[in-house]
Amino acid sequence: GAVVSQHPSRVICKSGTSVKIECRSLDFQATTMFWYRQFPKQSLMLMATSNEGSKATYEQGVEKDKFLINHASLTLSTLTVTSAHPEDSSFYICSAPLTGAETQYFGPGTRLLVL
Amino acid sequence: GDSVTQMEGPVTLSEEAFLTINCTYTATGYPSLFWYVQYPGEGLQLLLKATKADDKGSNKGFEATYRKETTSFHLEKGSVQVSDSAVYFCALSLNNAGNMLTFGGGTRLMVKP
Repeated sequence: GAVVSQHPSRVICKSGTSVKIECRSLDFQATTMFWYRQFPKQSLMLMATSNEGSKATYEQGVEKDKFLINHASLTLSTLTVTSAHPEDSSFYICSAPLTGAETQYFGPGTRLLVL
Repeated sequence: GDSVTQMEGPVTLSEEAFLTINCTYTATGYPSLFWYVQYPGEGLQLLLKATKADDKGSNKGFEATYRKETTSFHLEKGSVQVSDSAVYFCALSLNNAGNMLTFGGGTRLMVKP
């Protein structure tokens, strides 16, 4: 089946630094990818839709200058958490839809801890 | 707006017990319905889906029936195993490509030997 990878799987950083998370579709092309945030024991909240070759679409309440998204190619989207603060600590998950599959394929997630 | 409501967990069962996780939804159109499973430390995986009323999705012994009259998509399994311990998410999509998923809050299942 289709595979989506994320890197890194876990990152610890100091407050004020920026962190980049990569999401790759390994065996299919994805013109669209989705970024979610998952708080402990809670559901996934859609943050933004990443579009290859154009600007990302952010959900209401998500700061686009805080969470920079770049969909550089048909297999790669990156999420950069800029000037990270402890409240940004969370589990970030990406997904990509596979044309014709009527579903999304999810990456394994990246756990971010900001000290 | 569209929403999905799941029973709160955790649900703790003994091995071989019967499982039901309730899921109800509200949607402005005719959604496709999904159950995703998240094993510890892993990403979400599609467990099963149903795209229209009265469809039954099934996989790995789990099944759920799309009930339009009760706007429900309850997940059931006749005999759970320890390896079924995970978090289960009910979700809907109004886009046929499975995009723009709306998730329920998730239900943690713990199966004891």
